[in-house]
Amino acid sequence: GQQVMQIPQYQHVQEGEDFTTYCNSSTTLSNIQWYKQRPGGHPVFLIQLVKSGEVKKQKRLTFQFGEAKKNSSLHITATQTTDVGTYFCAVSANAGKSTFGDGTTLTVKP
Amino acid sequence: DVKVTQSSRYLVKRTGEKVFLECVQDMDHENMFWYRQDPGLGLRLIYFSYDVKMKEKGDIPEGYSVSREKKERFSLILESASTNQTSMYLCASSLMGRAYEQYFGPGTRLTVT
Repeated sequence: GQQVMQIPQYQHVQEGEDFTTYCNSSTTLSNIQWYKQRPGGHPVFLIQLVKSGEVKKQKRLTFQFGEAKKNSSLHITATQTTDVGTYFCAVSANAGKSTFGDGTTLTVKP
Repeated sequence: DVKVTQSSRYLVKRTGEKVFLECVQDMDHENMFWYRQDPGLGLRLIYFSYDVKMKEKGDIPEGYSVSREKKERFSLILESASTNQTSMYLCASSLMGRAYEQYFGPGTRLTVT
């Protein structure tokens, strides 16, 4: 199946700073999803990207899919304490079988 | 709102015991999944099902089996629990037409002693 690597594994930021997590693959991806898991919680679907070069925004979150469809990024502008958690990228295949990255855990210092 | 429920939030079992983890979803989703989550390893797919009585192996099926007798219910079975199966187990479901959008249950933290 398709494999994805996420970097960094951990990121500590001061509240108000920006944050970016990257998802990379050695092969062309058909799609990519992003999930957020709050501490003690379960993953929650955020968005899916399917088109080359696609950019989508959700308030302070910006999601990008690379032109070659081999990488994706999630950028948070001006982080808040509510942004803490682990952000996962995933690739979906037939019947929704998804392969998840290892996640980036974000901590925000007030 | 989609609701995915899991039978137990915490479970402690002994090595060699047979363990059943139950998952129920209330939104008529065709697809259901079982993952385990371990620190630093992300979510790893154990089994999934896209229809009643259908099952497909995921990436780490060894030591596990599943059952889907009804559309809303997907059970994960550990035939003989071992300490290396101590983990967080997450169930998820999705619609066939939006298979990529998975809804997760709260998880069961299983400890095998």
